[in-house]
Amino acid sequence: EAGVAQSPRYKIIEKRQSVAFWCNPISGHATLYWYQQILGQGPKLLIQFQNNGVVDDSQLPKDRFSAERLKGVDSTLKIQPAKLEDSAVYLCASNNGGAEETQYFGPGTRLLVL
Amino acid sequence: AQSVTQLDSQVPVFEEAPVELRCNYSSSVSVYLFWYVQYPNKGLQLLLKYLSGSTLVKGINGFEAEFNKSQTSFHLRKPSVHISDTAEYFCAVSPFSGTYKYIFGTGTRLKVLA
Repeated sequence: EAGVAQSPRYKIIEKRQSVAFWCNPISGHATLYWYQQILGQGPKLLIQFQNNGVVDDSQLPKDRFSAERLKGVDSTLKIQPAKLEDSAVYLCASNNGGAEETQYFGPGTRLLVL
Repeated sequence: AQSVTQLDSQVPVFEEAPVELRCNYSSSVSVYLFWYVQYPNKGLQLLLKYLSGSTLVKGINGFEAEFNKSQTSFHLRKPSVHISDTAEYFCAVSPFSGTYKYIFGTGTRLKVLA
């Protein structure tokens, strides 16, 4: 079974530029999560989708971050404009939703904002 | 609200020695408990989880953890570590809310020395 795929793996941008990350969850997984992991900290949930609907986006900085999962499969997370403090690893995870409590993580996208 | 505390940011240990990584949590509702491992430049991988039943949980790679409700702890142990266990370990909780939202600790970096 293929795991959660993310791209790109690494990205370096200047502050005030925009950037987008892509995630393809495990086939059939209804729930998709985006986390931000700043160096030295644990992952923090940014947004949770159930199919193509948002379940929780309470910690998403909506003035600059946006995410979509239009067809209920893959998802895109965008930052516009980026700030220095956005430098982090962005992790995508998925699971079946419903009664499944385990999340399966992708390798992450490492973002450096200069 | 929930919080997770991993008091030890780094734990050095010699190969074949035992190790314990500590995790304490705070929650006003019942939670599920997890330990994930993150190898360099990799995503998070589930080591073990506690949902209910026996408080001693066995996971992959010889790790085990014990849930202690009175002390609100979920410490991770391994009787004999290998060089390959060098990684970052994250404790997480998920409240019984149905959305299975994770709250992570800040992580413990395990360094196994030859």
